[in-house]
Amino acid sequence: IAGITQAPTSQILAAGRRMTLRCTQDMRHNAMYWYRQDLGLGLRLIHYSNTAGTTGKGEVPDGYSVSRANTDDFPLTLASAVPSQTSVYFCASSAGEGREQFFGPGTRLTVL
Amino acid sequence: AQTVTQSQPEMSVQEAETVTLSCTYDTSESNYYLFWYKQPPSRQMILVIRQEAYKQQNATENRFSVNFQKAAKSFSLKISDSQLGDTAMYFCAFMALTGANSKLTFGKGITLSVRP
Repeated sequence: IAGITQAPTSQILAAGRRMTLRCTQDMRHNAMYWYRQDLGLGLRLIHYSNTAGTTGKGEVPDGYSVSRANTDDFPLTLASAVPSQTSVYFCASSAGEGREQFFGPGTRLTVL
Repeated sequence: AQTVTQSQPEMSVQEAETVTLSCTYDTSESNYYLFWYKQPPSRQMILVIRQEAYKQQNATENRFSVNFQKAAKSFSLKISDSQLGDTAMYFCAFMALTGANSKLTFGKGITLSVRP
């Protein structure tokens, strides 16, 4: 069982380009999350999904969009990347309210 | 909105000794969970310990224990018999149990170095 996988592991991207970070879980968890981690700021929630077909905005949603077409996949899209989106991105999932969140290995994104 | 504060950016401890990492939080919620996550150099986020706010007893997981002071909104992590593998960044996190949301609010983290 892989748990949560993210792709790519790392990426260098030119500003203005579109980029989709992929996240897939095989635990059949209802809830999924996207966080960004920046030095000195901890992890901040970008978007979340409580169940397939629904999404919500987190603390820092601007410049990002998500979709949840099925239980397993939760891609994060940067429509037009900017240098301030340089960060490490983590996808997470949980079985429900109050349950532990399991994290993927992260994607390091650099926008030049 | 909730806030989580980890005021110490870094700490160092000698191998085999005990270290305590501080965390305070602010919330108007009455029903919530608190977590400590570990992030070693591999970047993987690993759950260390969890505390339910309604429980008075402090959570313990092997060498890791917490001191949960609900009235003071304090949630410190004690690591006993520190090992080199404990070297990592540690994040305190808060989860309010409101409706179907289980979103985590993280502190900024503390870098712990265990010296041989």
